[in-house]
Amino acid sequence: GDSVTQMEGPVTLSEEAFLTINCTYTATGYPSLFWYVQYPGEGLQLLLKATKADDKGSNKGFEATYRKETTSFHLEKGSVQVSDSAVYFCALSLHYPFSGGYNKLIFGAGTRLAVHP
Amino acid sequence: DSGVTQTPKHLITATGQRVTLRCSPRSGDLSVYWYQQSLDQGLQFLIQYYNGEERAKGNILERFSAQQFPDLHSELNLSSLELGDSALYFCASSRDRESGNTIYFGEGSWLTVV
Repeated sequence: GDSVTQMEGPVTLSEEAFLTINCTYTATGYPSLFWYVQYPGEGLQLLLKATKADDKGSNKGFEATYRKETTSFHLEKGSVQVSDSAVYFCALSLHYPFSGGYNKLIFGAGTRLAVHP
Repeated sequence: DSGVTQTPKHLITATGQRVTLRCSPRSGDLSVYWYQQSLDQGLQFLIQYYNGEERAKGNILERFSAQQFPDLHSELNLSSLELGDSALYFCASSRDRESGNTIYFGEGSWLTVV
Protein backbone atom coordinates (compact mmCIF):
# COMPACT_ATOMS: atom_id res chain seq x y z
CA GLY A 1 0.00 0.00 0.00
CA ASP A 2 0.87 3.66 -0.05
CA SER A 3 3.29 4.66 2.69
CA VAL A 4 5.98 7.09 3.86
CA THR A 5 9.16 6.08 5.66
CA GLN A 6 11.30 8.58 7.55
CA MET A 7 14.61 8.15 9.26
CA GLU A 8 14.24 7.50 12.93
CA GLY A 9 15.16 10.15 15.42
CA PRO A 10 16.08 11.83 17.46
CA VAL A 11 18.59 13.69 15.36
CA THR A 12 20.92 15.77 17.49
CA LEU A 13 23.07 18.46 15.90
CA SER A 14 25.15 21.40 16.90
CA GLU A 15 24.16 24.86 15.70
CA GLU A 16 25.30 25.61 12.13
CA ALA A 17 25.59 21.91 11.25
CA PHE A 18 24.20 20.49 8.02
CA LEU A 19 20.88 18.69 8.30
CA THR A 20 19.49 15.83 6.27
CA ILE A 21 16.32 13.98 7.19
CA ASN A 22 15.62 11.10 4.85
CA CYS A 23 12.15 10.39 3.51
CA THR A 24 11.12 7.72 1.02
CA TYR A 25 7.68 6.86 -0.20
CA THR A 26 5.67 4.13 -1.85
CA ALA A 27 2.68 5.18 -3.92
CA THR A 28 0.57 3.67 -6.68
CA GLY A 29 -0.02 6.98 -8.43
CA TYR A 30 1.74 10.33 -8.72
CA PRO A 31 1.74 11.88 -5.27
CA SER A 32 2.43 15.37 -4.12
CA LEU A 33 5.00 15.49 -1.32
CA PHE A 34 5.10 17.64 1.79
CA TRP A 35 7.22 18.40 4.80
CA TYR A 36 5.42 19.61 7.91
CA VAL A 37 7.05 20.90 11.09
CA GLN A 38 5.72 20.78 14.63
CA TYR A 39 7.41 23.08 17.13
CA PRO A 40 7.09 22.20 20.83
CA GLY A 41 3.54 22.69 22.07
CA GLU A 42 2.21 23.75 18.68
CA GLY A 43 0.29 22.33 15.74
CA LEU A 44 1.60 21.18 12.37
CA GLN A 45 2.76 23.83 9.95
CA LEU A 46 3.46 23.30 6.28
CA LEU A 47 7.20 23.76 5.71
CA LEU A 48 7.44 23.06 1.99
CA LYS A 49 5.95 20.97 -0.77
CA ALA A 50 6.56 19.66 -4.28
CA THR A 51 3.87 18.51 -6.65
CA LYS A 52 5.78 16.76 -9.44
CA ALA A 53 9.04 14.99 -10.16
CA ASP A 54 12.21 17.13 -10.01
CA ASP A 55 10.37 19.99 -8.29
CA LYS A 56 12.27 21.55 -5.41
CA GLY A 57 10.37 22.91 -2.45
CA SER A 58 12.07 25.47 -0.25
CA ASN A 59 11.25 27.61 2.75
CA LYS A 60 13.15 29.14 5.70
CA GLY A 61 16.44 27.71 4.40
CA PHE A 62 15.05 24.19 4.12
CA GLU A 63 14.96 22.39 0.78
CA ALA A 64 13.67 19.09 -0.56
CA THR A 65 13.68 17.74 -4.11
CA TYR A 66 11.04 15.33 -5.44
CA ARG A 67 13.08 12.39 -6.79
CA LYS A 68 10.82 10.00 -8.65
CA GLU A 69 13.63 7.61 -9.62
CA THR A 70 14.55 7.01 -5.99
CA THR A 71 11.04 7.72 -4.59
CA SER A 72 12.58 10.14 -2.12
CA PHE A 73 11.98 13.62 -0.73
CA HIS A 74 14.87 14.24 1.67
CA LEU A 75 14.82 17.40 3.76
CA GLU A 76 18.04 19.44 3.94
CA LYS A 77 19.27 22.63 5.53
CA GLY A 78 22.74 23.97 5.25
CA SER A 79 23.06 25.52 8.71
CA VAL A 80 20.60 24.67 11.46
CA GLN A 81 19.69 26.93 14.35
CA VAL A 82 18.48 26.16 17.85
CA SER A 83 15.09 27.50 16.77
CA ASP A 84 14.83 24.65 14.22
CA SER A 85 14.40 22.15 17.05
CA ALA A 86 11.08 20.47 16.31
CA VAL A 87 9.49 17.32 14.94
CA TYR A 88 9.50 17.06 11.15
CA PHE A 89 6.89 15.02 9.28
CA CYS A 90 7.15 13.88 5.68
CA ALA A 91 3.83 13.27 3.94
CA LEU A 92 2.39 12.34 0.58
CA SER A 93 -0.93 13.22 -0.95
CA LEU A 94 -2.67 11.20 -3.65
CA HIS A 95 -5.46 12.70 -5.68
CA TYR A 96 -8.61 10.79 -6.52
CA PRO A 97 -10.43 12.58 -9.34
CA PHE A 98 -13.84 10.92 -9.04
CA SER A 99 -16.77 12.33 -7.11
CA GLY A 100 -15.51 15.87 -7.50
CA GLY A 101 -11.97 15.01 -6.52
CA TYR A 102 -10.32 14.63 -3.14
CA ASN A 103 -6.88 13.95 -1.71
CA LYS A 104 -5.68 11.15 0.57
CA LEU A 105 -2.90 12.23 2.93
CA ILE A 106 -0.36 9.81 4.42
CA PHE A 107 2.25 10.80 7.02
CA GLY A 108 5.56 9.34 8.05
CA ALA A 109 6.27 8.68 11.71
CA GLY A 110 8.05 11.99 12.26
CA THR A 111 11.69 12.77 13.09
CA ARG A 112 12.61 14.78 16.16
CA LEU A 113 15.43 17.27 15.66
CA ALA A 114 17.31 18.74 18.60
CA VAL A 115 19.83 21.51 17.89
CA HIS A 116 22.26 22.51 20.61
CA PRO A 117 24.18 25.81 20.83
CA ASP B 1 -2.66 31.22 11.46
CA SER B 2 -3.68 28.38 9.13
CA GLY B 3 -7.33 29.39 9.01
CA VAL B 4 -8.47 26.08 10.49
CA THR B 5 -10.21 26.63 13.82
CA GLN B 6 -10.54 23.98 16.48
CA THR B 7 -12.46 24.16 19.75
CA PRO B 8 -11.97 23.62 22.57
CA LYS B 9 -8.20 24.09 22.80
CA HIS B 10 -8.00 22.19 26.09
CA LEU B 11 -10.41 19.76 27.69
CA ILE B 12 -10.20 17.70 30.86
CA THR B 13 -12.81 15.05 31.47
CA ALA B 14 -13.33 11.85 33.41
CA THR B 15 -13.24 8.27 32.20
CA GLY B 16 -16.51 7.06 30.78
CA GLN B 17 -17.57 10.51 29.64
CA ARG B 18 -18.31 11.77 26.15
CA VAL B 19 -16.85 14.85 24.46
CA THR B 20 -17.26 16.61 21.14
CA LEU B 21 -14.43 18.35 19.34
CA ARG B 22 -15.30 20.90 16.71
CA CYS B 23 -13.47 22.00 13.60
CA SER B 24 -14.13 24.84 11.20
CA PRO B 25 -12.16 24.41 7.98
CA ARG B 26 -10.63 27.20 5.95
CA SER B 27 -13.09 29.05 3.81
CA GLY B 28 -13.72 27.11 0.61
CA ASP B 29 -12.09 23.89 1.79
CA LEU B 30 -14.23 20.81 1.16
CA SER B 31 -12.11 18.14 2.88
CA VAL B 32 -11.71 17.74 6.61
CA TYR B 33 -9.27 15.31 8.20
CA TRP B 34 -9.01 14.21 11.83
CA TYR B 35 -5.77 13.00 13.40
CA GLN B 36 -4.83 11.81 16.87
CA GLN B 37 -1.36 12.48 18.24
CA SER B 38 -0.27 10.74 21.41
CA LEU B 39 3.17 10.58 22.96
CA ASP B 40 3.80 6.96 22.16
CA GLN B 41 2.01 6.53 18.83
CA GLY B 42 2.84 9.57 16.79
CA LEU B 43 0.33 10.98 14.31
CA GLN B 44 -2.57 8.61 13.66
CA PHE B 45 -5.09 9.23 10.91
CA LEU B 46 -8.65 8.80 12.12
CA ILE B 47 -11.08 9.79 9.40
CA GLN B 48 -11.59 12.07 6.39
CA TYR B 49 -14.71 13.75 5.08
CA TYR B 50 -15.20 15.39 1.72
CA ASN B 51 -18.15 17.69 1.15
CA GLY B 52 -20.20 15.96 3.81
CA GLU B 53 -19.36 12.37 2.90
CA GLU B 54 -16.94 10.01 4.58
CA ARG B 55 -14.00 9.39 2.23
CA ALA B 56 -11.44 7.45 4.20
CA LYS B 57 -11.25 5.78 7.55
CA GLY B 58 -8.09 5.05 9.49
CA ASN B 59 -7.46 3.78 12.98
CA ILE B 60 -10.66 5.16 14.43
CA LEU B 61 -12.15 3.30 17.37
CA GLU B 62 -15.81 2.29 17.35
CA ARG B 63 -16.27 4.57 20.38
CA PHE B 64 -15.36 7.51 18.16
CA SER B 65 -17.48 8.98 15.41
CA ALA B 66 -17.38 12.04 13.22
CA GLN B 67 -19.50 13.96 10.79
CA GLN B 68 -19.26 16.89 8.45
CA PHE B 69 -22.20 19.24 8.28
CA PRO B 70 -23.67 21.10 5.27
CA ASP B 71 -21.73 24.24 6.24
CA LEU B 72 -18.60 22.01 6.08
CA HIS B 73 -17.67 22.24 9.72
CA SER B 74 -16.93 18.91 11.36
CA GLU B 75 -17.30 17.35 14.76
CA LEU B 76 -15.43 14.43 16.29
CA ASN B 77 -17.36 12.64 19.02
CA LEU B 78 -15.43 10.58 21.56
CA SER B 79 -17.44 8.43 23.93
CA SER B 80 -16.82 6.03 26.83
CA LEU B 81 -13.51 7.77 27.26
CA GLU B 82 -10.52 5.88 28.60
CA LEU B 83 -7.23 7.11 30.01
CA GLY B 84 -5.51 6.07 26.79
CA ASP B 85 -7.64 8.48 24.77
CA SER B 86 -5.69 11.38 26.25
CA ALA B 87 -4.03 12.96 23.24
CA LEU B 88 -3.85 15.95 20.96
CA TYR B 89 -6.54 15.80 18.27
CA PHE B 90 -5.86 17.67 15.06
CA CYS B 91 -8.24 18.75 12.38
CA ALA B 92 -6.97 19.65 8.93
CA SER B 93 -8.64 20.93 5.80
CA SER B 94 -7.94 21.17 2.10
CA ARG B 95 -9.68 22.34 -1.05
CA ASP B 96 -8.97 18.94 -2.62
CA ARG B 97 -10.18 20.09 -6.02
CA GLU B 98 -6.92 19.08 -7.65
CA SER B 99 -3.73 17.22 -7.00
CA GLY B 100 -1.22 18.97 -4.80
CA ASN B 101 -3.65 21.07 -2.82
CA THR B 102 -2.07 21.93 0.51
CA ILE B 103 -3.55 20.46 3.68
CA TYR B 104 -3.71 23.00 6.51
CA PHE B 105 -3.79 22.00 10.16
CA GLY B 106 -5.48 23.57 13.13
CA GLU B 107 -3.69 24.04 16.42
CA GLY B 108 -5.31 20.99 17.93
CA SER B 109 -7.51 20.14 20.87
CA TRP B 110 -5.72 18.79 23.92
CA LEU B 111 -7.84 16.12 25.60
CA THR B 112 -6.91 14.85 29.04
CA VAL B 113 -8.91 11.98 30.48
CA VAL B 114 -8.54 11.52 34.24
